[in-house]
Amino acid sequence: AQSVTQLDSHVSVSEGTPVLLRCNYSSSYSPSLFWYVQHPNKGLQLLLKYTSAATLVKGINGFEAEFKKSETSFHLTKPSAHMSDAAEYFCVVSDYSSASKIIFGSGTRLSIRP
Amino acid sequence: NAGVTQTPKFRILKIGQSMTLQCAQDMNHNYMYWYRQDPGMGLKLIYYSVGAGITDKGEVPNGYNVSRSTTEDFPLRLELAAPSQTSVYFCASSLPGQGTSNQPQHFGDGTRLSIL
Repeated sequence: AQSVTQLDSHVSVSEGTPVLLRCNYSSSYSPSLFWYVQHPNKGLQLLLKYTSAATLVKGINGFEAEFKKSETSFHLTKPSAHMSDAAEYFCVVSDYSSASKIIFGSGTRLSIRP
Repeated sequence: NAGVTQTPKFRILKIGQSMTLQCAQDMNHNYMYWYRQDPGMGLKLIYYSVGAGITDKGEVPNGYNVSRSTTEDFPLRLELAAPSQTSVYFCASSLPGQGTSNQPQHFGDGTRLSIL
């Protein structure tokens, strides 16, 4: 059975410093992995997607994530945080191309200190 | 570019009342989904549809019903509102999966529902 764990419920960084949001997954097959961002009172927006083409995936707004099969991880990073990055981030795993097999992590709230 | 539109944005219901949450998308996506989001939790799938006339239960379908008469619309109905249904509801749509890969989902801005 597939599952996803976001290791931190809240991360706080200073503006201009690196961001690391951690995600571990469990999957019986080669998974599809996604990161979404949710700003207050908004829906989720796709940041990036991994589907086995390349282990390092670049997304929007300077974010990227690296797929590490040996560690079953898909951590999200950004070299330099901006105030506008403050939001909730969700890691999502899917084993199959099935609408019902999409599992959301519980989310990580990212705060940015001035 | 409308994308996925949800109405209403906010609603307060009394226990036992019924209502329909509306969802419409203009991207010609076959797949549509309803999720609920509770504080500190990820999204839980209520119902989904892979095309007009086809719907199926997700992880938490009890107390809800859906229909899909057109590609564009996917309304969610609460028949007898209960306090446990207080939540934020999100509708999403996507293209069909390719091979073993799901396609990214496009989300509406949500409906915040309180049952008192």
